[in-house]
Amino acid sequence: EVQLVVSGGGLVQPGGSLRLSCSASRFTFNDYAVTWVRQAPGKGLEWVSAIDSTGSDTYYADSVKGRFTISRDNPKNTVYLQTSSLRADDTAVYYCAKLDGSGSAIEYWGQGTLVIVSS
Amino acid sequence: QLMLTQSPSASASLGAPVKLTCTLSSGHRSNGIAWHQQQPGKGPRYLMKVNSDGSHSKGDGIPDRFSGSSSGAERYLTISSLQSDDEGDYYCQAWATGIEVFGGGTKLTVL
Repeated sequence: EVQLVVSGGGLVQPGGSLRLSCSASRFTFNDYAVTWVRQAPGKGLEWVSAIDSTGSDTYYADSVKGRFTISRDNPKNTVYLQTSSLRADDTAVYYCAKLDGSGSAIEYWGQGTLVIVSS
Repeated sequence: QLMLTQSPSASASLGAPVKLTCTLSSGHRSNGIAWHQQQPGKGPRYLMKVNSDGSHSKGDGIPDRFSGSSSGAERYLTISSLQSDDEGDYYCQAWATGIEVFGGGTKLTVL
């Protein structure tokens, strides 16, 4: 079965940075788009960013545009989310997810990593 | 603007059917959506994709009691016979070029 292992979360001070990684296996990684979704404590799901299969097209929610950067390394089967200028309202569990073949529906989720932005 | 609307809560008795609704915003009624389940304390799980014509395709291992359908701008998730581990939050998800959107979620309680 498809596996998506997320790492890189932790406690960071406001204004700081973190790089999240999503390591994929058990599917042909370079054929699929990948997306990041977050969930603040007690809240619903919020889309953050997405990247197409080749890495040439990237997309961002307005709330993170200019502060977060998504990228992928296809030979390493890994997608990254570089976060910077972090704020308290970026505190959330961050999930990576694989999109389906049409690049639309999320069809597999990773396990998530908690990012806490606090002084 | 693409938006999804869900009722905040729903409830039904053990073994009873329940139908959850996700409504697409004006101008997007031809969009498909996906349903995701989040059990308490767990990450989300993909349930199915529901197209505008009502056809649906389920994720791996999703029980037969889960099905999807459509009518106009509404997309539905039906659980035919509610089980205790169906309790949790249910989110619909839609997409357009360069953006993905989630509904606010429906908290399903099994009575």
